[in-house]
Amino acid sequence: GEDVEQSLFLSVREGDSSVINCTYTDSSSTYLYWYKQEPGAGLQLLTYIFSNMDMKQDQRLTVLLNKKDKHLSLRIADTQTGDSAIYFCAEMGSGYSTLTFGKGTMLLVSP
Amino acid sequence: NAGVTQTPKFQVLKTGQSMTLQCAQDMNHEYMSWYRQDPGMGLRLIHYSVGAGITDQGEVPNGYNVSRSTTEDFPLRLLSAAPSQTSVYFCASMAAVQYEQYFGPGTRLTVT
Repeated sequence: GEDVEQSLFLSVREGDSSVINCTYTDSSSTYLYWYKQEPGAGLQLLTYIFSNMDMKQDQRLTVLLNKKDKHLSLRIADTQTGDSAIYFCAEMGSGYSTLTFGKGTMLLVSP
Repeated sequence: NAGVTQTPKFQVLKTGQSMTLQCAQDMNHEYMSWYRQDPGMGLRLIHYSVGAGITDQGEVPNGYNVSRSTTEDFPLRLLSAAPSQTSVYFCASMAAVQYEQYFGPGTRLTVT
């Protein structure tokens, strides 16, 4: 089946930028997503990008997509301690109905 | 606006027991899905539905049944619970042409 890979852990200092990376194998991916999960909570949709775009910006969040290399990244500017959470990358295939998730990247922001 | 709701929030079962996890959405979304989340494994798709009366298997369907008799509800049944089904279960819904999948708060299930 299709696969989505992420690094497991990232540690940054408050005020720095964070970059979380993701690679995927599905060449027919249509949309790519970033979700945030805080401890004990559900998944919050942060942002998503259509596969024919290469960048999307939404306030402190910047998503970059390199479709040729099947590489997606999420940049969080001016990272705050409240950004500490697990971030999941996910892709939607050509069926347009379900998502395949990576294992998640734990972001730890220290003061 | 309730969004996606799941009940119960927590459940403890003994091996061999059966139960139904409830999921409901009030957004008139056509697509609904069940995922399980295990430590270090991300979310894995169990079953999904693209409309009332239509269901299909995901990556890890064994031991689970679903049905979709209405647009709003998508219950997940555990037929004979096993310790390997200890997990957090998330239900999600999505409108067919909007591509934004929304998740419920989850059900934490422990099977002893």
